[in-house]
Amino acid sequence: DTTVKQNPRYKLARVGKPVNLICSQTMNHDTMYWYQKKPNQAPKLLLFYYDKILNREADTFEKFQSSRPNNSFCSLYIGSAGLEYSAMYLCASSRRLGGSSAETLYFGSGTRLTVL
Amino acid sequence: QQQVRQSSQSLTVWEGETAILNCSYENSAFDYFPWYQQFPGEGPALLIAIRSVSDKKEDGRFTIFFNKREKNLSLHIKDSQPGDSATYFCAASITGNTGKLIFGLGTTLQVQP
Repeated sequence: DTTVKQNPRYKLARVGKPVNLICSQTMNHDTMYWYQKKPNQAPKLLLFYYDKILNREADTFEKFQSSRPNNSFCSLYIGSAGLEYSAMYLCASSRRLGGSSAETLYFGSGTRLTVL
Repeated sequence: QQQVRQSSQSLTVWEGETAILNCSYENSAFDYFPWYQQFPGEGPALLIAIRSVSDKKEDGRFTIFFNKREKNLSLHIKDSQPGDSATYFCAASITGNTGKLIFGLGTTLQVQP
């Protein structure tokens, strides 16, 4: 089973309120990613967990938090949603193969967040 | 500044034709180039990938042609089928961090029967 599950499919949030998005995978992958996709823009990496180590991209460092309570689950947390956070959020997982091997990312169907 | 560019946001071909999707990149350090295919309502899925040491990668009807000197690549879909209608993302990354993908905007392919 190569499924990455994201819930909910659609989420509505109010400006200034917190938002928590959930992702799960059952492939025992060591790495989980969060990408943000806005209309007419390329998917953009926000952060990723390799095992228990969180890596956040420099330009999104302060805007997003994440937690990974166990290998299967990963959340994306926005402390205070702004209009600019409206986007599709894609979770992905992979297994690091080491050396020069390339990892394959398995994506979920995404959560479409609308901030009003 | 976009590091990975896809030349067309949309492309329409007839069934049976070869669809050609073009991509270029800025960073010479990129050495791994996957193409992801996304159908409506689904997440992107890896279709085919190439490393910069190769100039061609073929998998069934899908072929990547890669030109390191020009920093561009193209995805050729031979004998296009209506089921190939999807959005195709060109991406790039660096060995050792191949999961940190830099994506292009995507090209939405429509194959007309």
